[in-house]
Amino acid sequence: GESVGLHLPTLSVQEGDNSIINCAYSNSASDYFIWYKQESGKGPQFIIDIRSNMDKRQGQRVTVLLNKTVKHLSLQIAATQPGDSAVYFCAETAPAAGNKLTFGGGTRVLVKP
Amino acid sequence: ETGVTQSPTHLIKTRGQQVTLRCSSQSGHNTVSWYQQALGQGPQFIFQYYREEENGRGNFPPRFSGLQFPNYSSELNVNALELDDSALYLCASSSRRTGSNEQFFGPGTRLTVL
Repeated sequence: GESVGLHLPTLSVQEGDNSIINCAYSNSASDYFIWYKQESGKGPQFIIDIRSNMDKRQGQRVTVLLNKTVKHLSLQIAATQPGDSAVYFCAETAPAAGNKLTFGGGTRVLVKP
Repeated sequence: ETGVTQSPTHLIKTRGQQVTLRCSSQSGHNTVSWYQQALGQGPQFIFQYYREEENGRGNFPPRFSGLQFPNYSSELNVNALELDDSALYLCASSSRRTGSNEQFFGPGTRLTVL
């Protein structure tokens, strides 16, 4: 498949370790945030979301943290697996924007066996 | 439940030509958004369609246009293609009925303009 993130920052992680991916956003009016995973040749796949009235949300092996004070979002992946290798994007939306998503630049995660 | 599908998967055009990309939304979804993803970048919002009308537009020129049909499927049309239009075009569907912001993406159409 075709590579999605040729010039993206890369996080190399040992299999089994935890991964932390960070994202800064600029719109203080944003109230809904999503992390997407994009594998080569595929569209973005929803991982987890969080609303602005929360600061933490957990899913299966993933946790999203939201710090509205500094407009920062992070995704933590526990016990990273080879299948987690992909490009990860954060996205945000604000009430006035309807369902328009504004995406960050993305981070490539490479899981080493 | 059927996911979001897009056609074609790949397309090669030359400068000045016109192209039409197609998207079928996920079953039960009434809103379709289109995004352009250049290589190495995050998707950029082009526009959104709801009830067969454009409902929000990003920073794209008028030669990018679209349609939504009664069955909620959608088309993206690009006229007078330019080299910089080469990108992955993503369609995402969602449902305003549920009040959820979650959008489901299709696999995309890879457009190459020569």
